[in-house]
Amino acid sequence: EAGVAQSPRYKIIEKRQSVAFWCNPISGHATLYWYQQILGQGPKLLIQFQNNGVVDDSQLPKDRFSAERLKGVDSTLKIQPAKLEDSAVYLCASSLGTGGKSPLHFGNGTRLTVT
Amino acid sequence: AQSVTQLGSHVSVSEGALVLLRCNYSSSVPPYLFWYVQYPNQGLQLLLKYTTGATLVKGINGFEAEFKKSETSFHLTKPSAHMSDAAEYFCAVSRYGNKLVFGAGTILRVKS
Repeated sequence: EAGVAQSPRYKIIEKRQSVAFWCNPISGHATLYWYQQILGQGPKLLIQFQNNGVVDDSQLPKDRFSAERLKGVDSTLKIQPAKLEDSAVYLCASSLGTGGKSPLHFGNGTRLTVT
Repeated sequence: AQSVTQLGSHVSVSEGALVLLRCNYSSSVPPYLFWYVQYPNQGLQLLLKYTTGATLVKGINGFEAEFKKSETSFHLTKPSAHMSDAAEYFCAVSRYGNKLVFGAGTILRVKS
């Protein structure tokens, strides 16, 4: 099966600019996640979708971050305006279920550098 | 709330030696436990998982982990390290209906 696709792989922007990341999950996976991985830390969940509804966005900085999942498939994550501390790898993942047992399948991530 | 502690941010072993990566978790109810591996510039890949049943879990690439409820541990082992095992390893915990929480990761270095 095709894996989780993410683009772009790398992005460099200046602070206060905006940026968007795209994710296409594994076909048939209803649940989609966006994680932020800061250098030296484990991934931190930003937002979880079940089909096109939000399940958990408690750690999403909503004043600057937004995400959507149209038609329950592809998803975009946007940052506007970016701050230096947003420099990180943004990982998209998908899973079949939401019960906590289902393993996550990750894309290769987008490495964002904010200067 | 769940949390995960990985002891040792860096572990170095010789090729052919035992690999032991430590993970302790906190959870008020029976957890689901996972180990993921991340190679440079790649996403995370599932190594193994424990949900219910047998407490000794075997995964890919010769790795295994044992769920010890009394010690709240889920340590990852491999009898003989290979150069290709050099990567970062993440322990993670969840429970029914809850999100997956990751530890800070352990970078494994394998010396020839």
